[in-house]
Amino acid sequence: DVKVTQSSRYLVKRTGEKVFLECVQDMDHENMFWYRQDPGLGLRLIYFSYDVKMKEKGDIPEGYSVSREKKERFSLILESASTNQTSMYLCASSLRGGQPQHFGDGTRLSIL
Amino acid sequence: GQNIDQPTEMTATEGAIVQINCTYQTSGFNGLFWYQQHAGEAPTFLSYNVLDGLEEKGRFSSFLSRSKGYSYLLLKELQMKDSASYLCAVITRGSGTYKYIFGTGTRLKVLA
Repeated sequence: DVKVTQSSRYLVKRTGEKVFLECVQDMDHENMFWYRQDPGLGLRLIYFSYDVKMKEKGDIPEGYSVSREKKERFSLILESASTNQTSMYLCASSLRGGQPQHFGDGTRLSIL
Repeated sequence: GQNIDQPTEMTATEGAIVQINCTYQTSGFNGLFWYQQHAGEAPTFLSYNVLDGLEEKGRFSSFLSRSKGYSYLLLKELQMKDSASYLCAVITRGSGTYKYIFGTGTRLKVLA
């Protein structure tokens, strides 16, 4: 079974802080993704990566950056957290492009 | 533009059959996924359709008509644990990259 692990289930941070969300997958998947999920808006893609050190902007990249130094790890960075970034953040991976995505348990992030 | 439509909410009775519809308008269609998401948890992969027709997997079946831009998820012998949101997601391919587009989900309530 594919395992996608996110570092925290719940996180509370303050406005202006730099926030790191970590995601690790154990199945040698090429592609990794970061989404946020908000009520009524569904899943929105922030960034994705199809290879080590490669990254592509998704639909809502503003205020975020990512890092993929190793194949199994994909980090999401909130450069200067703001209250409108309070959300559920979901990491996903897929073996290759077009294959089913497997999701981590999510991080519920609150920015105060 | 790219768009996916699914009903917001449905209610059904334990033991019954329910059909959740999904219509999409996309370019470069490359497949359709269904995911189940329980409240506060991550989406889990249910089914994948790339060709027209019905895919059956136990109590769950998924149907695709590419010419009509239409899919449905059929759940038989409903159980209380099937109360969840069901997400329809389309994969498109353009310029060599894949894009995953998610619907906002259908919240299914199963009543005793």
